[in-house]
Amino acid sequence: DGGITQSPKYLFRKEGQNVTLSCEQNLNHDAMYWYRQDPGQGLRLIYYSQIVNDFQKGDIAEGYSVSREKKESFPLTVTSAQKNPTAFYLCASKRGGPYGYGYTFGSGTRLTVV
Amino acid sequence: AQTVTQSQPEMSVQEAETVTLSCTYDTSESDYYLFWYKQPPSRQMILVIRQEAYKQQNATENRFSVNFQKAAKSFSLKISDSQLGDAAMYFCAYRSAAGVGGSEKLVFGKGTKLTVNP
Repeated sequence: DGGITQSPKYLFRKEGQNVTLSCEQNLNHDAMYWYRQDPGQGLRLIYYSQIVNDFQKGDIAEGYSVSREKKESFPLTVTSAQKNPTAFYLCASKRGGPYGYGYTFGSGTRLTVV
Repeated sequence: AQTVTQSQPEMSVQEAETVTLSCTYDTSESDYYLFWYKQPPSRQMILVIRQEAYKQQNATENRFSVNFQKAAKSFSLKISDSQLGDAAMYFCAYRSAAGVGGSEKLVFGKGTKLTVNP
């Protein structure tokens, strides 16, 4: 079955460490997105990519980095510069083009700084 | 920039009854898409229903329907015959139809937590 796989489901990080969250999709979707979810804040866009080797900052990109070397993969690195990284992170993808397709979401990664 | 507002942080409904969740948005565009997503305790985001702004007819998916008022920039979700499995966070989202650059992104409201009482 096609879908989006995020791993790991739970991740613990020590302060000062970088960590990378994985996002893989086999839907042949062009566009991929990373959102951060905090209680009472809804979902906020971190980075997005509409094509391989290209990505753009979202609303809260500071302290994060991404790469898009393959169509299927869009990993997110939470760097030590991110002051408050504890949150739930959701990856999503969408077919390209100016159509009203909804996003397909992964099941998320819960990151906790210890 | 577009914004989406959900004014009800929490709502509750009795099983088998009907509930309406509110959503308003702000945009200067005339063509766009609106969505309702459901996030149950598993935290998996599930698309419930979508509406194209150019369509006057309100979208319907089984027990879920919307009341889309374009002039008022309002997009409410009605859940009929509520079931225990409907309990979840519900997010309203906006996306431009321009289809280029940053307009591809979904803008979310802060969500409404729906409780279904047996």
